[in-house]
Amino acid sequence: AQSVAQPEDQVNVAEGNPLTVKCTYSVSGNPYLFWYVQYPNRGLQFLLKYITGDNLVKGSYGFEAEFNKSQTSFHLKKPSALVSDSALYFCAVRGRGSQGNLIFGKGTKLSVKP
Amino acid sequence: KAGVTQTPRYLIKTRGQQVTLSCSPISGHRSVSWYQQTPGQGLQFLFEYFSETQRNKGNFPGRFSGRQFSNSRSEMNVSTLELGDSALYLCASSLGIRDRANQPQHFGDGTRLSIL
Repeated sequence: AQSVAQPEDQVNVAEGNPLTVKCTYSVSGNPYLFWYVQYPNRGLQFLLKYITGDNLVKGSYGFEAEFNKSQTSFHLKKPSALVSDSALYFCAVRGRGSQGNLIFGKGTKLSVKP
Repeated sequence: KAGVTQTPRYLIKTRGQQVTLSCSPISGHRSVSWYQQTPGQGLQFLFEYFSETQRNKGNFPGRFSGRQFSNSRSEMNVSTLELGDSALYLCASSLGIRDRANQPQHFGDGTRLSIL
């Protein structure tokens, strides 16, 4: 069965420091991977996706994610965190060729302190 | 370009009632999916519609149903409401043609349903 794990409920970083939000997945075949962000009382906003090709994917708002097939991971990164990055982050997977709904991780709350 | 629009934003109902939520996708998007978000269960997939046909269904009881109209607008209905149905219901749309798997979904801001 397909699944996504976000091992950290919360990540705390200081403004200006690099941030990493972790995600691992389990899916048969090659996955399509996504990161979304959710601000309070809002829906999810698409950040980036991995389809194929370069393992480092660049997305919105300076975020990037590194796909690692051997470790089945797709960690979200940003070189320098902003207070405004504080939000709930979701990793999701959709199996290639599936009729496929998105399967989401539980989410990681990112808190960036000044 | 207008985003995904969900109405109403907030709704309060009592147990046993039924409710209908509405979703208007981004213009040109033909695939609409519904998700339930709760603090305990996170984001759970309800169903997906494409060209007025349900294409995929999550693991929810039959009290949860949906439909899609010819203009791609979608509604979901929950009958005989239970306390546990209190949640944020999110609608997402995507182009829905060809290789759907790699298309990002664009989400609305949701309808927050509270059951008293």
